[in-house]
Parts: sequence; C-alpha cells; structure tokens
Amino acid sequence: EAGVVQSPRYKIIEKKQPVAFWCNPISGHNTLYWYRQNLGQGPELLIRYENEEAVDDSQLPKDRFSAERLKGVDSTLKIQPAELGDSAVYLCASCGSSWLGNTEAFFGQGTRLTVV
Amino acid sequence: KNEVEQSPQNLTAQEGEFITINCSYSVGISALHWLQQHPGGGIVSLFMLSSGKKKHGRLIATINIQEKHSSLHITASHPRDSAVYICAAGSNYKLTFGKGTLLTVNP
Repeated sequence: EAGVVQSPRYKIIEKKQPVAFWCNPISGHNTLYWYRQNLGQGPELLIRYENEEAVDDSQLPKDRFSAERLKGVDSTLKIQPAELGDSAVYLCASCGSSWLGNTEAFFGQGTRLTVV
Repeated sequence: KNEVEQSPQNLTAQEGEFITINCSYSVGISALHWLQQHPGGGIVSLFMLSSGKKKHGRLIATINIQEKHSSLHITASHPRDSAVYICAAGSNYKLTFGKGTLLTVNP
C-alpha cells in the first residue's frame, strides 16, 4: 500500500506569488496533519484535521495560509502571498486514530518550498 | 526552554562505533517517538515507546518515565545510518518534536 503521498516534492516561487501543496493520506486514516519544518529545526504543527474538520488550526498563520480537506481524504495547504520566510519543508502526516500521542504516525516525503 | 531537548545536535562517528542519542522532555506524554529523516526525504517512524526498552535490528530505544529521558542507541553503526534522528513527545493529539540530531557515520 502506498504511504502518505505529497506533491510537489520541490517548489521554487517568487515572493508574493501563491503556492499550493497537496497531500493524500493513507487510506482509512481519518487524522491528517500539516507540519512546517525550518532548516535545522524539528517540525511544527500548522493544522490538524479529523476527517474534514480542522480541529486545531491555532498555529496556522491565517492571514496568508489556508487549508482544506474536502470529503475528509486529500488535503491542500495554500500560501498566498508567499514570503521569503515561508521557505521550509512542509510535511503531511496521517494516522488512524485521533490520539496521535500513542499511535504511530506516517509521514509523507515533504514539499521543499523555496521562496526567492 | 524547548519542551523536547536532544543531544548532541551533531554527531560524527566511524563505521562500527556504538552511537547514543539522548532526549529529555518536560511535558507529559502518552508515548515517546523516535523518527529518522534522511536528507531530502520524509520522516520514518523508528520506535514508539511508553516504558522500558525496544529493539529493532541494530537499533535500541529506552525510556525512563520518572526521569523523562529517552535514549536511542545504534550498535555497529554503518554509513547508511547517516541521517537526522528526531525525538518527539506524543500527547494531547499531537507530537512535539526535538530539533533533531544529525548523525554522520564515516566509512
């Protein structure tokens, strides 16, 4: 079975342009996470979905970031407009239970965004 | 102070050496996760543990709940073990990550 699939793997855009990342979680996983990982740092949570509902978006910079998970399966993370400081790796993760703390999480390969 | 602290930040070893990476956390946890991240790659889960010790091949993870400390050991290290190793505290529906330890194993 395929794991968590993200696309694109790499993206280079000019500042002030929009960008979107896509994530297809493991089939049957109702919990989906978007993380941002800056160079030399651990990932930081942006948003958590339970099915199609965003249950924790407290760390999502809502002035420029938006996310959706229509039908509770695939998810899209968008940045508009992008800033230089948004350069990072954007990771998607999914798991089969809402209690991530004590269940295994499965991560995608990430999208490396470079804003120039 | 970060809720999850790892040491060392960088580690260089010769092939065959025994490796230890340490993790201390200040939050309550349901489980402590050890993850591996290769350059340009995604994150792979190595271990999830809430007590005692787990072993998988040459990798061993231990946790001391009272001291809020965990260690990841690699026996007979190999250049293919070169990666970033991340410890994460699992609680309250989320993972809180350490900054990672960059391990380089030279042949």
